[in-house]
Amino acid sequence: NAGVMQNPRHLVRRRGQEARLRCSPMKGHSHVYWYRQLPEEGLKFMVYLQKENIIDESGMPKERFSAEFPKEGPSILRIQQVVRGDSAAYFCASSLATRDEAFFGQGTRLTVV
Amino acid sequence: DQQVKQNSPSLSVQEGRISILNCDYTNSMFDYFLWYKKYPAEGPTFLISISSIKDKNEDGRFTVFLNKSAKHLSLHIVPSQPGDSAVYFCAASADQAGTALIFGKGTTLSVSS
Repeated sequence: NAGVMQNPRHLVRRRGQEARLRCSPMKGHSHVYWYRQLPEEGLKFMVYLQKENIIDESGMPKERFSAEFPKEGPSILRIQQVVRGDSAAYFCASSLATRDEAFFGQGTRLTVV
Repeated sequence: DQQVKQNSPSLSVQEGRISILNCDYTNSMFDYFLWYKKYPAEGPTFLISISSIKDKNEDGRFTVFLNKSAKHLSLHIVPSQPGDSAVYFCAASADQAGTALIFGKGTTLSVSS
């Protein structure tokens, strides 16, 4: 039973390019969460999704960031026109139900040059 | 404003002694608390949780204590081992539909042999 899979593990983008981060939740999990960890910071909640629905996006920056979790396929966190400040580790987590513990992927480390 | 606070960025303990990691929260709606452990370049892994109907939960060397009136919880590790050296995150959630885990900034624990 594979855990939460995130890819790529490392992503380098030039300023102005788009970054796409993928997350496949654990089998049977329909709740997906994205968190961002900036250097020297904790895990900051970004967005919570269920299949085809955004439940809570209160932690998402208003511009350039979007997330989806389609009926088929992985969840995607998309960052348009990346800037240096977007450089961080992005973690995806999934859970079976809202109140269950979340299982995390190994993260995608985004570097904007 | 931080709803979950871990005021000690780091803690150093000798092997065999007790490690006590602290966490404070401000949102009185939080009723489920979790601790996660994170090694470098890996995703956080679930350690132990506690519901607000309890004041203590124990799992092997790990015990979590909850003081609802003080809005404070702590994680005790005894005896501490060098392999416990990691970043520990406290997380909380509220009993409302559509709420994700809110994390503190983490405490880096170093256990020396």
